[in-house]
Amino acid sequence: KQEVTQIPAALSVPEGENLVLNCSFTDSAIYNLQWFRQDPGKGLTSLLLIQSSQREQTSGRLNASLDKSSGRSTLYIAASQPGDSATYLCAVTTDSWGKLQFGAGTQVVVTP
Amino acid sequence: GAGVSQTPSNKVTEKGKYVELRCDPISGHTALYWYRQSLGQGPEFLIYFQGTGAADDSGLPNDRFFAVRPEGSVSTLKIQRTERGDSAVYLCASSLRHGLSGTANYGYTFGSGTRLTVV
Repeated sequence: KQEVTQIPAALSVPEGENLVLNCSFTDSAIYNLQWFRQDPGKGLTSLLLIQSSQREQTSGRLNASLDKSSGRSTLYIAASQPGDSATYLCAVTTDSWGKLQFGAGTQVVVTP
Repeated sequence: GAGVSQTPSNKVTEKGKYVELRCDPISGHTALYWYRQSLGQGPEFLIYFQGTGAADDSGLPNDRFFAVRPEGSVSTLKIQRTERGDSAVYLCASSLRHGLSGTANYGYTFGSGTRLTVV
């Protein structure tokens, strides 16, 4: 059974520092891995999607890597800003039609 | 519409009552998913529709939960005889599926969710 774990559960950094969020999964038979952002009381916003054949994806200050064989992904956020404060969730797709299995998330606070 | 709309945004109900939660997906999105998110946890899959049919309902916790999508657009999640343990945020997402597995762009749009509180 696929299990997705995110460490740490919470993280607080001063503005300007780089953020490193970790995600691990137990079954490497995935179609892709996605990182989402969730703000309080809001739905999820997709940040990056990495297909199983890819090693990384970049968007602006965000970079996500994927090591499928070791079951790990890392999300890097460069030069953090207070607006980056949110919960970040990773999810793997284990079925051809896109069913997502989520980790519990990392709650990030960036202090000014 | 521009996004996925879920109504109501908040619902408080008494234990034992029946509730319906509505999801209006992005026009043209054939795939629709329901997830449930408990406090401090990631969303958990409930059910997936491709068009009008439920392609996978393996995440529904028991037979008190049922979902429909009669015309392939709006979906309703129905919960009978609600229990306090049903309290959670219920999220809906839609996707325009294209391509084959492994190469498709699983671009999801999530709604803001319905916060259900059973008292």
